[in-house]
Amino acid sequence: GESVGLHLPTLSVQEGDNSIINCAYSNSASDYFIWYKQESGKGPQFIIDIRSNMDKRQGQRVTVLLNKTVKHLSLQIAATQPGDSAVYFCAEKAGTASKLTFGTGTRLQVTL
Amino acid sequence: EPEVTQTPSHQVTQMGQEVILRCVPISNHLYFYWYRQILGQKVEFLVSFYNNEISEKSEIFDDQFSVERPDGSNFTLKIRSTKLEDSAMYFCASSPFLGWTTGGYTFGSGTRLTVV
Repeated sequence: GESVGLHLPTLSVQEGDNSIINCAYSNSASDYFIWYKQESGKGPQFIIDIRSNMDKRQGQRVTVLLNKTVKHLSLQIAATQPGDSAVYFCAEKAGTASKLTFGTGTRLQVTL
Repeated sequence: EPEVTQTPSHQVTQMGQEVILRCVPISNHLYFYWYRQILGQKVEFLVSFYNNEISEKSEIFDDQFSVERPDGSNFTLKIRSTKLEDSAMYFCASSPFLGWTTGGYTFGSGTRLTVV
């Protein structure tokens, strides 16, 4: 069945370093992907999204890369800050389906 | 910035009781959703709602669950007879369109439901 999963449950990085969070998906029909940040006790917060007709999209300090050949998605955070500490989820959607399928999440810990 | 508002933030209920979770989606959004997150697990889709009817639901969304848009602003999730395993964080979300849309889906801060 379709699934979205994350390789690393916890990622620890030093403040100022770049972070890379990875996500694998198995539904080849997925054509829209979103990265969410979730802080403790809060709802998922949109970070960046990408459509399947793109392989890279940049935002402020964040970049999402999509490799459809291997069904892999990554989130790069430049100059990681303490405020970036949170759980990061990738989510995907396929065609006209309305639901988002979330991955299991990666906890990013930023050390000083 | 527009936001999705959920009430209450925390609800404790006895097993077998009915609960209603409330949400006010963003005003110009047309699609509404409920998701849940059991502690420490991933966010799971429950149901999507458009034009006053369910457009998609998951296998989690059984006969114990129902959704309603009772007026022009509220969107509710009802659980008729709560079970211990219904304890979770419930998130409401909304989006302006179906399909991809820059900015994704906007989520509320959630209602933590504890069934005792």
